[in-house]
Amino acid sequence: GAGVSQTPSNKVTEKGKYVELRCDPISGHTALYWYRQSLGQGPEFLIYFQGTGAADDSGLPNDRFFAVRPEGSVSTLKIQRTERGDSAVYLCASSLDRSSYNEQFFGPGTRLTVL
Amino acid sequence: AQSVTQLGSHVSVSEGALVLLRCNYSSSVPPYLFWYVQYPNQGLQLLLKYTTGATLVKGINGFEAEFKKSETSFHLTKPSAHMSDAAEYFCAVSEKGNKLVFGAGTILRVKS
Repeated sequence: GAGVSQTPSNKVTEKGKYVELRCDPISGHTALYWYRQSLGQGPEFLIYFQGTGAADDSGLPNDRFFAVRPEGSVSTLKIQRTERGDSAVYLCASSLDRSSYNEQFFGPGTRLTVL
Repeated sequence: AQSVTQLGSHVSVSEGALVLLRCNYSSSVPPYLFWYVQYPNQGLQLLLKYTTGATLVKGINGFEAEFKKSETSFHLTKPSAHMSDAAEYFCAVSEKGNKLVFGAGTILRVKS
C-alpha cells in the first residue's frame, strides 16, 4: 500500500517568502506528526495532530510556523516570512493513533532551502 | 524532559565485523525506545522498538537491541555487517503522546 507522501520533494525560496509543505498520511492513520531535521542533527518534533486538532504544537519555533489538518487526513505546514535558518528537511509521519507504542511511518521529507 | 545521546557520529566497520551503535537515554518514566535507519534520499524506517516485556528486541535485517534500565542504554548490534547496512541510524525515545525525541544520529560506514 501507499506510504506517507510529501510534496514538494524540494523547495527553494527567497528570504521573506511564504511556503506551504504538504503531507499525505497513510490512509486510516489518525495521528500525524511534523518534524524538522537540520543538517547533521536528528529530527526535532514540531507538532502533532490527533484527527483534525493539533494535540501538541509545543515544538513550533515561533508564530511564523503554522499547520492545519482540516479534514483529518492531509496536513499542510505553513511558514511565513521565511528566514535562512528555516532551511532544513521537513519530515511528516503518521501512525494508527497517538499511543506511544505505535510505529510512526515517515515520508521522504521536503528539503526547504531559503536563499 | 526526555533526551537521547548517541555516542559516535560516525562508526566504521569492516564487512563481516560486529556492528555496535550506542544509545543512552534520559527519561523520568518507563521509556518506549526505537531505532530508525535512514538510507540516502529515503525516509526513516523503523528497525526495532522496545515497549514492555523482553529486554532483548530483535528487528529487521538481523539487528537487535537490548534495553538495560540500570545503564539507561539501548545499544544496537548486528553480528556481521553487510555493505547494505551503510546508512544513518537514529535512536529515539517516545514521550507521552507519542512524539519522538531523537538522538543526533550515527553514520555507519561498512568497508569491504
